[in-house]
Amino acid sequence: EPEVTQTPSHQVTQMGQEVILRCVPISNHLYFYWYRQILGQKVEFLVSFYNNEISEKSEIFDDQFSVERPDGSNFTLKIRSTKLEDSAMYFCASSEEAAGREDTQYFGPGTRLTVL
Amino acid sequence: AQKITQTQPGMFVQEKEAVTLDCTYDTSDPSYGLFWYKQPSSGEMIFLIYQGSYDQQNATEGRYSLNFQKARKSANLVISASQLGDSAMYFCAMREGDNQGGKLIFGQGTELSVKP
Repeated sequence: EPEVTQTPSHQVTQMGQEVILRCVPISNHLYFYWYRQILGQKVEFLVSFYNNEISEKSEIFDDQFSVERPDGSNFTLKIRSTKLEDSAMYFCASSEEAAGREDTQYFGPGTRLTVL
Repeated sequence: AQKITQTQPGMFVQEKEAVTLDCTYDTSDPSYGLFWYKQPSSGEMIFLIYQGSYDQQNATEGRYSLNFQKARKSANLVISASQLGDSAMYFCAMREGDNQGGKLIFGQGTELSVKP
């Protein structure tokens, strides 16, 4: 069964460093998303991406964040200058271009980002 | 106001019994989708079940069913014949509107523990 994959599974970085989190969405999906989950809290939407541009972004997704689809398979989230509060699990998700159930978002296993 | 409310931070159920996890939602949009996800201790988010706002029947997927009460704005997840592997966090989520690629709004989650 097709699945969303994410690398790395765990990233440790120093405050102020740039990180790039990578995702490979399900191959026939056209909508891509990033969410984050701070330890013990609920999952929060960051950004959605369609047709090579951002569809929607949350207040969390400020100028320090960017997304890119550098080729036909990868979808990346870049944090330019990490802060301690960026420590969280980052989930990539993807969905088909269809209404109703087919718009279900399938999540990757997550990347746990730790900022020291 | 919270868009998705899960009032049970933790629940216990005996193996082989049924359990209901509560979810209420708040939206003024006539079109929306409701989702349940399971998050085991390993951290991934696993899609369980979907209910569309215009669906006439309650959704079912194997041992999972959704008790959808539109007038009460509730979408409770029912797990029948609980198994030890059902022990996990369960998140209710909503997508508002007809737009494809819409963001998911998550509740705080309910931690389910299945006792042998």
